Amino acid sequence: DAKTTQPPSMDCAEGRAANLPCNHSTISGNEYVYWYRQIHSQGPQYIIHGLKNNETNEMASLIITEDRKSSTLILPHATLRDTAVYYCIAPTGNQFYFGTGTSLTVIP
Amino acid sequence: GAVVSQHPSRVICKSGTSVKIECRSLDFQATTMFWYRQFPKQSLMLMATSNEGSKATYEQGVEKDKFLINHASLTLSTLTVTSAHPEDSSFYICSASLLGLAGPYNEQFFGPGTRLTVL
Repeated sequence: DAKTTQPPSMDCAEGRAANLPCNHSTISGNEYVYWYRQIHSQGPQYIIHGLKNNETNEMASLIITEDRKSSTLILPHATLRDTAVYYCIAPTGNQFYFGTGTSLTVIP
Repeated sequence: GAVVSQHPSRVICKSGTSVKIECRSLDFQATTMFWYRQFPKQSLMLMATSNEGSKATYEQGVEKDKFLINHASLTLSTLTVTSAHPEDSSFYICSASLLGLAGPYNEQFFGPGTRLTVL
C-alpha cells in the first residue's frame, strides 16, 4: 500500500463544504485511492474511489492532483451527521491497511 | 448498495470460552472477506483475508489457532475467537469484496461490527 498521511482532526461549520486532504506521495500508477468514513461504534462506510480523474457521487467529490500524490475529499454541504473519522487508503492489492484518518467534527 | 451483516452485534463471555462471529453478504456474492479488529480510539487493524473454499491468510502477529476463520460459502464467513481472554476484548469488523481483486472494483463493504467483551 502507498503510505497515506492525513491531518488528525478538522472542524467544519454545518452547511459549508468540508475539504479533507490526503497525501499519498508514494502511490504507484495502478493504485486507486479509496475513501471511507467511520461513525462512532459502526463499521466503515464506503464513500468514493478514483484513479486519476476527479470523481463525484451522491455523497462526495474526489479531487486527485495530476501527479496523483495527493487528493481531497469534498463534502459539499456538511451536516452534523457527517461527523466521523475519514480514512484515505491507497491499496496495492486487495487488502486495506487503515491509517489513523481525520476526525471531522461538523459544528452547528 | 451492498449490505454486509454481522451477528451478534454484541457479546459478553467468560474468560476461556470460545465465541463465534458471523459475517454475511446479504445481496451479493463475496469472493473475498476480511476480518479487522479495532481497539478503543485506534484505527482498524486487518487480521486476516479469506477466500471462499480456501484457508485464510493471516496478518503478521495474528494467531491463526486463536482466531479461526471459516469461509464456507460466497455469502458467509465466520470468525471464532477460541479460549477468549480479556485482552481479546475488542470491536471486530468484517468486510466483503465482490471480486477480491485490486483495481477499480476493489471496494470493500463493511459490516456493522461486533463488540466482544471478555470478563
